[in-house]
Amino acid sequence: SQQGEEDPQALSIQEGENATMNCSYKTSINNLQWYRQNSGRGLVHLILIRSNEREKHSGRLRVTLDTSKKSSSLLITASRAADTASYFCATDRNTGFQKLVFGTGTRLLVSP
Amino acid sequence: EPEVTQTPSHQVTQMGQEVILRCVPISNHLYFYWYRQILGQKVEFLVSFYNNEISEKSEIFDDQFSVERPDGSNFTLKIRSTKLEDSAMYFCASSEAGVSLSYNEQFFGPGTRLTVL
Repeated sequence: SQQGEEDPQALSIQEGENATMNCSYKTSINNLQWYRQNSGRGLVHLILIRSNEREKHSGRLRVTLDTSKKSSSLLITASRAADTASYFCATDRNTGFQKLVFGTGTRLLVSP
Repeated sequence: EPEVTQTPSHQVTQMGQEVILRCVPISNHLYFYWYRQILGQKVEFLVSFYNNEISEKSEIFDDQFSVERPDGSNFTLKIRSTKLEDSAMYFCASSEAGVSLSYNEQFFGPGTRLTVL
C-alpha cells in the first residue's frame, strides 16, 4: 500500500460519540500531521506530532504515534455535526526537503 | 491569525491556454509548496521552493509547469498549455521551517479549482 493509508475509508457516527481514525505509513518519518478538509474546500491543519513524540492533545483531538508499527491514530472526542469532513494524515520523511505525502483520507459523517 | 491566500478561487480555461495561479504565503515563512488534488483523489505534491529556487519536484511537475516568486509576497504556479487532465484543485502551502529544523508544519491556502474545458 502507499505511504499514508487511512482507515476506515468512511465513518458514520452520532453527535457526542468519539471518532477514531487510523493512518499507516511505510517509510521512516520525521513528522506526521493531520488535516481536515470540508467538502471541496481547503486543508485545515489540525495537529503535528514529531517522530519522537507518542501522544499529543489539542482541544478535543488526541493523536498518537507508534513508530514501531508505523501508525498513527486521530481521536475526536464528543463529536459534533461540524466535525463532518474528510481527515487526512500526511507524513514527511527524515531526509531531504519536506514535501508531505498524504494518505487517502477518512470521510467522517457526524449526524445530529 | 495569518493565513495563506490564493486567487482566483475558481479558474475556467480552454485546453491549450496558459493559466497562472497565485498565492500569498504567510509572511515570515520561507518554504513554499504547490500540491494538487484531482477530484476524489489524494492530495499530491507538485513542487517545493526555497531561496528563489525549486528544491524538489515530483514527476507530475513537467516542463509545462513553472513556479516563480515575482516579488516579496506572491508565489505563482504557471501551467503553460493546459490539458484536460490538469483539472484539479491546486493548493499552495507554506512553512516556516524546513530541512534544517525538526518540524515542518505546513499551512495550506483554500485552493484554486482549475477546470480545463
